[in-house]
Amino acid sequence: GNSVTQMEGPVTLSEEAFLTINCTYTATGYPSLFWYVQYPGEGLQLLLKATKADDKGSNKGFEATYRKETTSFHLEKGSVQVSDSAVYFCALSGTNTGNQFYFGTGTSLTVIP
Amino acid sequence: SAVISQKPSRDICQRGTSLTIQCQVDSQVTMMFWYRQQPGQSLTLIATANQGSEATYESGFVIDKFPISRPNLTFSTLTVSNMSPEDSSIYLCSVEKTGTGDPYEQYFGPGTRLTVT
Repeated sequence: GNSVTQMEGPVTLSEEAFLTINCTYTATGYPSLFWYVQYPGEGLQLLLKATKADDKGSNKGFEATYRKETTSFHLEKGSVQVSDSAVYFCALSGTNTGNQFYFGTGTSLTVIP
Repeated sequence: SAVISQKPSRDICQRGTSLTIQCQVDSQVTMMFWYRQQPGQSLTLIATANQGSEATYESGFVIDKFPISRPNLTFSTLTVSNMSPEDSSIYLCSVEKTGTGDPYEQYFGPGTRLTVT
């Protein structure tokens, strides 16, 4: 079946630290991969996406590369800010079973000054 | 993209009552989705709502508990019926939009935070 496994949180980092949030997936076919971010008290916002192997999605200093060989889509940022504190969700869609979205459990990030 | 609004943004309800959540989109969309996000957990799809047809419910969710309406291409409602404290969650509406060359994406509303006492 289709599923997404995310690194468990919570994660606490100091400002300007390097961030990695691991995400691996299981899917039939060739899914598209997404990272969504949920700021406190808000809904989910699309952060970045990648549609095929070796694609790199990027936005707001965040990056993730679609690695088919390791079925991974790890989220990285070189220097986090306090404003990056949020919950991050990895997701996939567009498998052989349709366009339903499958979300990981979310990783809470807190950045301290 | 799509701009989605939900009403109410939050509510505190007594057990045994029902609450209807509204979702409004700023453009016409074919598919709308309702999710539940229980405290500290990920999103669980409740149902998919297409205009002009019955909603399709995921395993573990039934129409009697979560009736959905989809009267047109920009609006949907989800009712949480006969509520219990276990229904305390954030309920999120989302829509699927496609663009030329883009993968299917989902855009989310801000959510409705429901507390049942």
